[in-house]
Amino acid sequence: EDQVTQSPEALRLQEGESSSLNCSYTVSGLRGLFWYRQDPGKGPEFLFTLYSAGEEKEKERLKATLTKKESFLHITAPKPEDSATYLCAVRLASGGSYIPTFGRGTSLIVHP
Amino acid sequence: DVKVTQSSRYLVKRTGEKVFLECVQDMDHENMFWYRQDPGLGLRLIYFSYDVKMKEKGDIPEGYSVSREKKERFSLILESASTNQTSMYLCASRNPSGRSTDTQYFGPGTRLTVL
Repeated sequence: EDQVTQSPEALRLQEGESSSLNCSYTVSGLRGLFWYRQDPGKGPEFLFTLYSAGEEKEKERLKATLTKKESFLHITAPKPEDSATYLCAVRLASGGSYIPTFGRGTSLIVHP
Repeated sequence: DVKVTQSSRYLVKRTGEKVFLECVQDMDHENMFWYRQDPGLGLRLIYFSYDVKMKEKGDIPEGYSVSREKKERFSLILESASTNQTSMYLCASRNPSGRSTDTQYFGPGTRLTVL
């Protein structure tokens, strides 16, 4: 069973059509939740880190929020250049280890 | 800006060959990681290193080994490549004591095909 689940697996939007991506996690003792963007054939690029429920962070058309069991990545008025795979990862508080667990990603395509 | 580079973007090898994937970071980061990424499976950790000459197994270390002789360089070794090791390999680094201690910086990836 996956500890980190992202939904939907794939999302197609029209330019300007706002939507949200979801990342839910089953583990307890969250130390941090991370969002990355990955373009085809490239490595993931860091977007946000969230640490506590209620926290929000924004960058251009993206806004990440965190509750006790899930995070949302809101995309407002997306443009074709927002097309990418968005990865979520969580880090646990226990053990002192820094090893995040990644979800399988949401592939976003924004049509002009 | 942090820069993580990987020796090859694309690599084609034969079954049974010994394969070396090199990763170099230029920001004096202590922690380095090797992942593989496969469609539908996401990122899976192969090995990681907290510091020079230190290594720890990740979730899928079988068939792989690593070497960290210098702080900036982390090598992934496939002792005898097999077709099921065809994948995208991603290297990452992290500074455990800097401002962005939780941020992993990824390289561009090496797409390895084993024939």
